[in-house]
Amino acid sequence: QKEVEQNSGPLSVPEGAIASLNCTYSDRGSQSFFWYRQYSGKSPELIMSIYSNGDKEDGRFTAQLNKASQYVSLLIRDSQPSDSATYLCAVNLYSGGGADGLTFGKGTHLIIQP
Amino acid sequence: EAGVVQSPRYKIIEKKQPVAFWCNPISGHNTLYWYLQNLGQGPELLIRYENEEAVDDSQLPKDRFSAERLKGVDSTLKIQPAELGDSAVYLCASSFTQGSEQYFGPGTRLTVT
Repeated sequence: QKEVEQNSGPLSVPEGAIASLNCTYSDRGSQSFFWYRQYSGKSPELIMSIYSNGDKEDGRFTAQLNKASQYVSLLIRDSQPSDSATYLCAVNLYSGGGADGLTFGKGTHLIIQP
Repeated sequence: EAGVVQSPRYKIIEKKQPVAFWCNPISGHNTLYWYLQNLGQGPELLIRYENEEAVDDSQLPKDRFSAERLKGVDSTLKIQPAELGDSAVYLCASSFTQGSEQYFGPGTRLTVT
């Protein structure tokens, strides 16, 4: 059973601060990890992908992966009100047939307070 | 570059009626996915295509759901007959290859009354 766990929130962060979003996954065969942002009534938008242990930075976003601890995180620096959304963690498991479809967490609702 | 296109954006039908959703993936993307998203949940995979072959349809309720991807490009997802519990957002996504980044279309919001 593939599971991806996220704290549903809401997570409230003051504008300009760092928002930290966390995700754990159950299957050690997982090899690709993604963060999606979803505004209310919209579809998921890919913001970060990470494939190897360590940090990956893209603008104000940093993804962190620790495969030994089965843990993925997303840091958002200098948080803006426009960052208020639901953030979905997604994991791609590789089975005998290749990469499966993504398994998503339920998402963390992030609120940036002006 | 055009993104994933889906139609219709909204659909309201009565239970027991059929409904179909259409998806056009990003040009050059060989892998196409259909997901279902209920309110407050993450998307759940229904079916995955590699070109025109359905390589993972284990989560597709085959008694009422069907899908096809003719010529390995556009895809159609059909429900017949629809049930009240099918009300959800149906998302199509595509990726260049399996395991690479997936990009989602705007989705179709289905309401079954």
